[in-house]
Amino acid sequence: QVQLQESGPGLVTPSQTLSLTCTVSGDSISGGAYYWSWIRQHPGKGLEWIGYIYYSGSTYYNPSLKSRVTISVDTSKNQFSLRLSSVTAADTAVYYCARVVVGATQYFDYWGQGTLVTVSS
Amino acid sequence: SYVVTQPPSVSVAPGQTARITCVGNNIGSTSVHWYQQKPGQAPVLVVYDDSDRPSGIPERFSGSNSGNTATLTISRVEAGDEADYYCQVWDSTTDLLFGGGTKLTVL
Repeated sequence: QVQLQESGPGLVTPSQTLSLTCTVSGDSISGGAYYWSWIRQHPGKGLEWIGYIYYSGSTYYNPSLKSRVTISVDTSKNQFSLRLSSVTAADTAVYYCARVVVGATQYFDYWGQGTLVTVSS
Repeated sequence: SYVVTQPPSVSVAPGQTARITCVGNNIGSTSVHWYQQKPGQAPVLVVYDDSDRPSGIPERFSGSNSGNTATLTISRVEAGDEADYYCQVWDSTTDLLFGGGTKLTVL
């Protein structure tokens, strides 16, 4: 059973960098069969894809966030991470990590439970 | 940029059929995926590649996609189906994109 678990600070100060880690169990990131992604959901709103990474380190980001986002991978720990710089209150959201099935299309088959990050001083 | 539009809400009585649409320009030319999200929970994939169901998803959930409209159909709706539903698309021109979500209310 594939499981993903987000971890990181629940409170971030404006202008600072948000950092989250997703730990994967039940699958190996280095297996190379999937991509690994971050998605967020503003309170009471819809889903917004942030970006994803392949085990090799190749990344692809949502153009609207690209200038502030870095996703990295640590295959030795079976983890991948999100860094979002220069945060504002508009970055307050529940952040999910998810596994991405890729091929002719792309979709998310397993999700973490999500973690709420609040940006406030 | 590409946009996919869902109705904000759909209401249906128990036992009836709910249809949730996802409208986009020529959406029938790409694959559409659907997620169910209950309050306080992570989204769950219920339909992928227009009409396929992941293991464990009831046959009551089905999908179709043609022209400018993709549709998630939930037959014999139950109280437990009450949730937000999101469509999602991807291709090389649209990037990865979610619809705005539809709140399904079971009357």
